Formats: sequence, C-alpha cells, structure tokens
Amino acid sequence: DTGVSQDPRHKITKRGQNVTFRCDPISEHNRLYWYRQTLGQGPEFLTYFQNEAQLEKSRLLSDRFSAERPKGSFSTLEIQRTEQGDSAMYLCASSKAQGNYGYTFGSGTRLTVV
Amino acid sequence: AQSVTQLDSQVPVFEEAPVELRCNYSSSVSVYLFWYVQYPNQGLQLLLKYLSGSTLVKGINGFEAEFNKSQTSFHLRKPSVHISDTAEYFCAVSGINDYKLSFGAGTTVTVRA
Repeated sequence: DTGVSQDPRHKITKRGQNVTFRCDPISEHNRLYWYRQTLGQGPEFLTYFQNEAQLEKSRLLSDRFSAERPKGSFSTLEIQRTEQGDSAMYLCASSKAQGNYGYTFGSGTRLTVV
Repeated sequence: AQSVTQLDSQVPVFEEAPVELRCNYSSSVSVYLFWYVQYPNQGLQLLLKYLSGSTLVKGINGFEAEFNKSQTSFHLRKPSVHISDTAEYFCAVSGINDYKLSFGAGTTVTVRA
C-alpha cells in the first residue's frame, strides 16, 4: 500500500493554457474523489468515481473541467483554458466502496495560474 | 446537505499545554464525523472518526474528540501538545448514506515553545 499518489506536486501555467493532473489511488479502493482547496478554506467536493463511472459532478466544476478514470484505476483531471481563479490545491482521495469511513488523501497538486 | 462551522480560525498554544478545537455541524440526517490534519504543502491525514457507538473517540497522535448530538458538536482535544502538532485541522461531516465530505474552513494551530 503506497497511498494515494498525485502528479505533479506543483504546476505553474499561463492563463489560457490547458493542464492535466494525475491521481493513482490505493489499489483496492473502488471510489475516487477530486476536491479543490483554496487558500484559507477547507476542501470542496468536485467529482466522484465509483470504478470507472463518474457518478457525480459538482456545480463548482465548469465546462472547462473534465475528469476521467479509465479502467477504474488512475484518474486524470484536466482544466482547459485556465483562469487565475483556478489557482488552488487539487486533492485526490480514495476509499473502499462499502460505507464512508474516511478517505485517504494524496498530497495534492498545487496549481498556480499566472 | 450537511455543513460544518469551525469556531476558531487560529489557536496559538504553548508546548505541553492542552488544546481544544471546536466544531459544530448542521445536518437533517444522521452523520459521520471526521477530523483531518494538514501539514504545510501536504494532503490531509485522518486523525479520527465518529461512526457510531461511544461518543468519545480516540485517534492518532494523542488526539480525541467527543460527539455531542444535542449540541451538534464534535470538538477535538489533546491534553498536551508538541511543537510537531503545528498544522491546520479540519472538521468534516457526511450523511451516513453519503460519500461526500463537507469540510469546515479549518483551524490553524501554532504551538510555541
């Protein structure tokens, strides 16, 4: 069990560019979540996968955001045409399918849009 | 939907002193409650959770929390803090049939020698 891995740890991009983040969950975890955390705030839910199916997407997630989890393993979060307001820490977490007993979070990807 | 209010944004405390971080929640359904800790530039680590049973929950690193249904609270305590406890602490709630967590805004604990 190597925990939840996120790559990259940091990303600086120019406004208008596209960025993609990757998350590798704990191998036996069926559920995968993406959260966003801005400075001085708690994490906010973005989207949720059970296996390869994306079952919920927050209204916070504009059309510029897309997430995938092919084959129910790793997941990617893509942001198109980045804006300065997208600057945040993007956190991935995973859990087992039975019950909600607390997630395991990755270390996050910090995005800075300049 | 559930929501969480963390009543203190910053808590300074001296080393070896006790600390209490306050958390109140709102929900129309039964809940699970969690406390997470976040060290600088890291993800969140689960400290403890309340699912059911005893209202006093013990977690890692000497932390404990008490679930009070009538007060809708889940305050976190540690009897004696260390410098290494300096971090941000988040209270979170979910409905028992939900998978999403709703987080509070966090409490920054700064431990001074």
